Amino acid sequence: SAVISQKPSRDICQRGTSLTIQCQVDSQVTMMFWYRQQPGQSLTLIATANQGSEATYESGFVIDKFPISRPNLTFSTLTVSNMSPEDSSIYLCSVGEQGKFFGPGTRLTVL
Amino acid sequence: GNSVTQMEGPVTLSEEAFLTINCTYTATGYPSLFWYVQYPGEGLQLLLKATKADDKGSNKGFEATYRKETTSFHLEKGSVQVSDSAVYFCALSDTLGEGTYKYIFGTGTRLKVLA
Repeated sequence: SAVISQKPSRDICQRGTSLTIQCQVDSQVTMMFWYRQQPGQSLTLIATANQGSEATYESGFVIDKFPISRPNLTFSTLTVSNMSPEDSSIYLCSVGEQGKFFGPGTRLTVL
Repeated sequence: GNSVTQMEGPVTLSEEAFLTINCTYTATGYPSLFWYVQYPGEGLQLLLKATKADDKGSNKGFEATYRKETTSFHLEKGSVQVSDSAVYFCALSDTLGEGTYKYIFGTGTRLKVLA
């Protein structure tokens, strides 16, 4: 198993600003995943982040809006840029392949 | 494409009642199937999984059987407790090759158990 922590746990932000979410894992992992869970909806994969290479984004998500860093095997950040109210969601970091582990999530509200 | 469909909630039960949350899937390959649980204010936790047809996953009194003939993976528990109140997500993973998997989640079913 893996223990994953995220910062911040929640935030309320103004339209047009950016927020960087941090994800820390207690063990080294090759791949880290970022998901979005919009209110009342399921999880949607934003991107996959491998250490030492560019993140791979899913359809509908772009690097300019959701830049990701992966400086080492235990850490990643996701930035939500130029936020709008439609970005209000829970953002979740995840590791693991068969049987994923998830962080507690970052609840973002954009006013 | 692959998809997961689970029953709409919320599901409200009395303590010690029998629980079934339906989940069906569409997949072109041979996916693994999962149930995740999200307790209030917490992240998702893996509840159980099954990796091939006829496998039964079980944990904490919950069970689900991988039924290929009906493409289903229904979650059951014989006697629910108030502490089981949470949102339950059905999910599948399908291999993209080279050890890479793509996960697809259902929309979640909220369970509320009353004392």
